[in-house]
Amino acid sequence: AQTVTQSQPEMSVQEAETVTLSCTYDTSENNYYLFWYKQPPSRQMILVIRQEAYKQQNATENRFSVNFQKAAKSFSLKISDSQLGDTAMYFCAFKAGSEKLVFGKGMKLTVNP
Amino acid sequence: DVKVTQSSRYLVKRTGEKVFLECVQDMDHENMFWYRQDPGLGLRLIYFSYDVKMKEKGDIPEGYSVSREKKERFSLILESASTNQTSMYLCASSFRYEQYFGPGTRLTVT
Repeated sequence: AQTVTQSQPEMSVQEAETVTLSCTYDTSENNYYLFWYKQPPSRQMILVIRQEAYKQQNATENRFSVNFQKAAKSFSLKISDSQLGDTAMYFCAFKAGSEKLVFGKGMKLTVNP
Repeated sequence: DVKVTQSSRYLVKRTGEKVFLECVQDMDHENMFWYRQDPGLGLRLIYFSYDVKMKEKGDIPEGYSVSREKKERFSLILESASTNQTSMYLCASSFRYEQYFGPGTRLTVT
């Protein structure tokens, strides 16, 4: 069974700084997708970024980028120029084929002014 | 934009009551999901559905049932609510690999 591990339950960062959220996963599959979801306080969960395992190039979305290390089964999220609106729970997730989405336990990020 | 709506943001029910949580999506997605979110446990899948009138158990189906009579609507049912079902409930729909979430229903069972 696939598992997703987010080892840091909570982090804080100063506004405008860069922060990296870590995620590791375990799978025997070769083709899969990895995701970072963001859940702001009392608001809807939204997709931040997606990475296809077959792509070697790391995905980027504006201030968000990933460091995908397939051999190490690591998928970290880097947030550059942190903003107050980045304060949220962040969930790493994994999906292989038609299998269900598997989530990590989440990490609470606080951006301080 | 995909829109997933849930019938209530906050709900308070008594132990033993039958509880219905409704979810509606407007993008004609075939796949719909119900999750339960608890601090330190992340999101756990309760039930999912790949088509109308079709349902599959997730990781924690005990104490829950679901109904999908129409493609756009997926209901979660607590037959006899218990205090350990106090939680945040999230509905999602998906097309291919991306899931779209509703705002969640925070259910308190007293």
